[in-house]
Amino acid sequence: DTGVSQDPRHKITKRGQNVTFRCDPISEHNRLYWYRQTLGQGPEFLTYFQNEAQLEKSRLLSDRFSAERPKGSFSTLEIQRTEQGDSAMYLCASSLLPLGGDTGELFFGEGSRLTVL
Amino acid sequence: GQQVMQIPQYQHVQEGEDFTTYCNSSTTLSNIQWYKQRPGGHPVFLIQLVKSGEVKKQKRLTFQFGEAKKNSSLHITATQTTDVGTYFCAGLGSNDYKLSFGAGTTVTVRA
Repeated sequence: DTGVSQDPRHKITKRGQNVTFRCDPISEHNRLYWYRQTLGQGPEFLTYFQNEAQLEKSRLLSDRFSAERPKGSFSTLEIQRTEQGDSAMYLCASSLLPLGGDTGELFFGEGSRLTVL
Repeated sequence: GQQVMQIPQYQHVQEGEDFTTYCNSSTTLSNIQWYKQRPGGHPVFLIQLVKSGEVKKQKRLTFQFGEAKKNSSLHITATQTTDVGTYFCAGLGSNDYKLSFGAGTTVTVRA
């Protein structure tokens, strides 16, 4: 399978614990995005990487959230001191070219579903 | 940043009927993309519109970008059970890196 892969697919944790999600984008894609989706809503932008550089981070993202893409390949999203409001589907997406280019669409992974008890 | 609104939130359609879902942005967009998310699945790209007034067709789906590049529509003719899912529009602002998604239109089909 050469699509975007995410791990774990499901995570149940207790409030206050830290969690980390991993995303492996399509190999030749140098642009990587993290989105969050809650029930009945569209994906909400969290952060964006071009290669290893984090170029944009949503103002909605608290300091408890951090993302890395150390070698410009896979990425991790860590949430520290989780809260019940963090419960959501965390979607990773990658693109080959800038959005708006001829092939500038997002390829989404299956997502990592987080439940905070 | 721009806000993207979609209506209706839910669309219940009799199989074989047509329907339209609408997308409106608070600001002028560079382009707009449409995605479909099946129940339990992830968003999958359908199409991208770039030019003012652009119309594109994919079989029974017709996508339109408004003249002012602030609104878009998706029209589905002769709805089938395979059309079930949530349709999202997503706008890209000028000099922007990210797509801003609407809340989606969730389509159910009565056989």
